[in-house]
Amino acid sequence: GAVVSQHPSRVICKSGTSVKIECRSLDFQATTMFWYRQFPKQSLMLMATSNEGSKATYEQGVEKDKFLINHASLTLSTLTVTSAHPEDSSFYICSTAGLSYNEQFFGPGTRLTVL
Amino acid sequence: AQKITQTQPGMFVQEKEAVTLDCTYDTSDPSYGLFWYKQPSSGEMIFLIYQGSYDQQNATEGRYSLNFQKARKSANLVISASQLGDSAMYFCAMSSGRRALTFGSGTRLQVQP
Repeated sequence: GAVVSQHPSRVICKSGTSVKIECRSLDFQATTMFWYRQFPKQSLMLMATSNEGSKATYEQGVEKDKFLINHASLTLSTLTVTSAHPEDSSFYICSTAGLSYNEQFFGPGTRLTVL
Repeated sequence: AQKITQTQPGMFVQEKEAVTLDCTYDTSDPSYGLFWYKQPSSGEMIFLIYQGSYDQQNATEGRYSLNFQKARKSANLVISASQLGDSAMYFCAMSSGRRALTFGSGTRLQVQP
């Protein structure tokens, strides 16, 4: 299956700063990538769907101006958390769907802590 | 809209015993897929098993099997011969086509020696 990487794996930042998370599909052309958020002891919730060369689609309740998504190539999608606050502290994980319906490839996740 | 329900927040099982993790779902899509993932404390999502809505037979992958009852809209995961390394969070999820997954709330499984 496809290999998806994320960078950084862990980041700690001060409140008010912006943080960029990269999601790379290493061996697969990912026209679509999904960004999920997982708060402690909770499930994964879809934040947005990133489409190569077009605007991302955000789920209800997710601020598109706060969570900027860029999918400029078939192998890279980035999520930028702008003016991060402690409530943005979470585990962010990206994924992409493979060619078959049973294929969903996840990155290893990024743990964000905002002080 | 799709919905996944996992009613067991936590489960205990003795090592070498079998355990069933429950999952029910709701969707209006005629074609869908059901997934089970294991999430250890590291956070990575480890794919375990997949069942397509039109698959006639229950899926099996090694010690994992999926008890798919379409009429009851259930997709329970059965882990046979539990091992200590099976202790983790387990998520049931579903998707239609190549869209994003909808996850259940998860079940924390603890395997006891």
